[in-house]
Amino acid sequence: GAGVSQSPSNKVTEKGKDVELRCDPISGHTALYWYRQSLGQGLEFLIYFQGNSAPDKSGLPSDRFSAERTGGSVSTLTIQRTQQEDSAVYLCASSLWQDGELFFGEGSRLTVL
Amino acid sequence: GEDVEQSLFLSVREGDSSVINCTYTDSSSTYLYWYKQEPGAGLQLLTYIFSNMDMKQDQRLTVLLNKKDKHLSLRIADTQTGDSAIYFCAERETSYDKVIFGPGTSLSVIP
Repeated sequence: GAGVSQSPSNKVTEKGKDVELRCDPISGHTALYWYRQSLGQGLEFLIYFQGNSAPDKSGLPSDRFSAERTGGSVSTLTIQRTQQEDSAVYLCASSLWQDGELFFGEGSRLTVL
Repeated sequence: GEDVEQSLFLSVREGDSSVINCTYTDSSSTYLYWYKQEPGAGLQLLTYIFSNMDMKQDQRLTVLLNKKDKHLSLRIADTQTGDSAIYFCAERETSYDKVIFGPGTSLSVIP
């Protein structure tokens, strides 16, 4: 596609359920990033991929969070046993390897009741 | 560890210049960015500067980089109401190539 695509755009779930958030980057972009933006907060780095590998997972808040990327393209961020504090907008971005600009998707808004 | 800091709020009058400041900690950063987020919208790149540059100008935008002090600023000339948004400073590290964002500065332009 022309831009970074994220799905779902909105997700409401109950506490304790698992959720999967999907990111489809711009074709040919080798780097893919996940960030979290809570209400009134800045962008919290979660994880990024170079191709299919994740050199730095230090931003994942807990072991309930995991992410994978297959085929150097689509990435999935999984949150297990969701908690209310997981409620946020999860943003995905992609960029050409070692190039300047990150292109962001519209985000997936997660609400945990 | 890496950190990017910004003041959280700035208010200016329409027609005045706005200056948004940012400090960062990674001296080996390669790129430094300014992103804009309008209400209800995604992040858009405004401009970026290579770490070996001191200044970059693009129409109403001027970016100044002081590497010694690890200080980055964004100046918006003739600020308009449409410039009201959150402005994020970000740095790209050389070690792992991850991009770290600051908390964002909310710019309010008073007509």
